[in-house]
Order: sequence, then structure tokens, then C-alpha cells
Amino acid sequence: DGGITQSPKYLFRKEGQNVTLSCEQNLNHDAMYWYRQDPGQGLRLIYYSQIVNDFQKGDIAEGYSVSREKKESFPLTVTSAQKNPTAFYLCASSIDRGGLAGAYASYNEQFFGPGTRLTVL
Amino acid sequence: QKEVEQDPGPLSVPEGAIVSLNCTYSNSAFQYFMWYRQYSRKGPELLMYTYSSGNKEDGRFTAQVDKSSKYISLFIRDSQPSDSATYLCATKTGANSKLTFGKGITLSVRP
Repeated sequence: DGGITQSPKYLFRKEGQNVTLSCEQNLNHDAMYWYRQDPGQGLRLIYYSQIVNDFQKGDIAEGYSVSREKKESFPLTVTSAQKNPTAFYLCASSIDRGGLAGAYASYNEQFFGPGTRLTVL
Repeated sequence: QKEVEQDPGPLSVPEGAIVSLNCTYSNSAFQYFMWYRQYSRKGPELLMYTYSSGNKEDGRFTAQVDKSSKYISLFIRDSQPSDSATYLCATKTGANSKLTFGKGITLSVRP
């Protein structure tokens, strides 16, 4: 059963603590993404990775860190430097192989996980 | 000016109504246009996508893109209570480029 899993579903953090959100995919996708969603704000890109051992900052990377040691895993750490971490965090993945023949070669759909809701107490 | 602007809502309609959801964008380099549906406390799922200008129909849903006016629309015919969700428009310049999202609009279809 292919898909993207995120854990935990709900997470509570005390101020000053670092927390790590898990994202795993078994779709054999190369690219993975982390977004943050706030009420009335849409989705904003935090970090993305197009290949193992490489990742790029998105629009709001400050206070966050990631790693991509395995193709199927892209954990996100919310550090104490993130001033307003309470939000809904979404992980996504896509094939991201330019020129690859196939149904999604010309489009490259992003598939989203179920999300993690982080609350800072 | 944000790159993608979306009507803020919320929007409430009776069952069976035709719903029109709209976005405007400012970057003329955008080539791919998507609509995502997101149920409460879930991740978004792709509803429809369109490449360049034109219409695309899938059952009760029609996506429309007018690149000359930089306008994106999603029409829902015969709306159902199960259509109640947040709808997000999104665009990107190329197949492998990053997505830019609108803020989303919450639709409620009353039985």
C-alpha cells in the first residue's frame, strides 16, 4: 500500500525544546518537501530535497533543519530558534525526474502526507 | 503583491448549487495550474491540473485557466455536502519547479 506517512499526528512541545517530525514515503519518489500551513495562509515551503544527501531552503527555512540520508525519509526538526512553531506541518513527495518517460513526466504531481499538528505550550 | 491571490471566503452554498472558486496570479511564467482539495485535518489531494490556458473537465468539476488575464477558476456543478472542504489553487513555472499556493478557501455545502 504505497503512500506517505507522517508521525506523530499531534505533537506538543514546550518552549525552548527541539522536536523532530517524521516523514516516510514508499512511492520511490526522488523529491520530498516540507510545508507549513497556518490558518488563512495557504502552504509555505520550508525545505525540499531533490536527491539523497542534498536539500535546499524554501521560503521560510529559518528555525528549521532537515536531513535526507535515505531516499524514503525526510525528517524535519523544529528548533528552539523558530519563534512561532505552532502550525500544521505537511510533507510531500514527487517523482521529480525531468525527462523520464511516463504519465507524470510532464507534470510531476506532489503527493501529500496526512500532516502533523504541532502545538507549543 | 502576492504571487497567487485567492478569494478568502468562507463560502456556504446549498446542495445542488454551482460553485465558482477563483484565483489570480501575477507571474506570467506560471505554466501549470492546480486545484487541491483538503478535508479538515488532512493533507491536500490533487483535484485537477491544467497546463497553460484552457478548460479541463472531470465529472462535476471544471478547471479553467485564462493566461491573458492571469485568472484561474474551478467550477463545481451539482455541489454535494461531501464537497465541503478547503480548496487551494497552486501554480508553478515548470514540471520540476516549486509550487506556489493561494491561501485557500473553505467551502461548506449545506444539505
